[in-house]
Amino acid sequence: SQQGEEDPQALSIQEGENATMNCSYKTSINNLQWYRQNSGRGLVHLILIRSNEREKHSGRLRVTLDTSKKSSSLLITASRAADTASYFCAPNSGYSTLTFGKGTMLLVSP
Amino acid sequence: DVKVTQSSRYLVKRTGEKVFLECVQDMDHENMFWYRQDPGLGLRLIYFSYDVKMKEKGDIPEGYSVSREKKERFSLILESASTNQTSMYLCASSPGLAGIRETQYFGPGTRLLVL
Repeated sequence: SQQGEEDPQALSIQEGENATMNCSYKTSINNLQWYRQNSGRGLVHLILIRSNEREKHSGRLRVTLDTSKKSSSLLITASRAADTASYFCAPNSGYSTLTFGKGTMLLVSP
Repeated sequence: DVKVTQSSRYLVKRTGEKVFLECVQDMDHENMFWYRQDPGLGLRLIYFSYDVKMKEKGDIPEGYSVSREKKERFSLILESASTNQTSMYLCASSPGLAGIRETQYFGPGTRLLVL
């Protein structure tokens, strides 16, 4: 299994601003998933983007995938305090299990 | 909605005790997973199971065992708890339609403290 590396490790913004976090990986993938974890809770699946897709939207979330650069980005538009959480990417290749990185910790201040 | 439940949110045990962490999912999922999460180390896979009575080691199985006697239940066992097993334990399940690499649904976690 391969692990994604999220960047930055931490991000602090004001409510209403956009938040962008990135994920890099090393080998080819079938899909890449993003998850959110609120403090002290389990992970929640946000979005899955397949290797033949370049962009995907879900509400205020926009995910892009650049397989040539082996990278993905997650954009949260018009951030709210409730978006404060850690965000993880999980690049998915072959038949191995998902591997989660250390995440990006997002703090949205009112 | 998929629901994954874990038997305890917080647990305090003594060194050397046998500890059982239970996980139950209600969506007839084939695959179930146990992770531990530690600051600075992220999530690490301990064991997973793709069928009843089947189990596979993850990245850090040492000191742990698992049991899956029924499809909906996956138990993590610490045979003799040690202080370095103090951690947040997360259970997850996935449908199994596309194998073990598809979307996972997580429980709320169990924060275990071993004294």
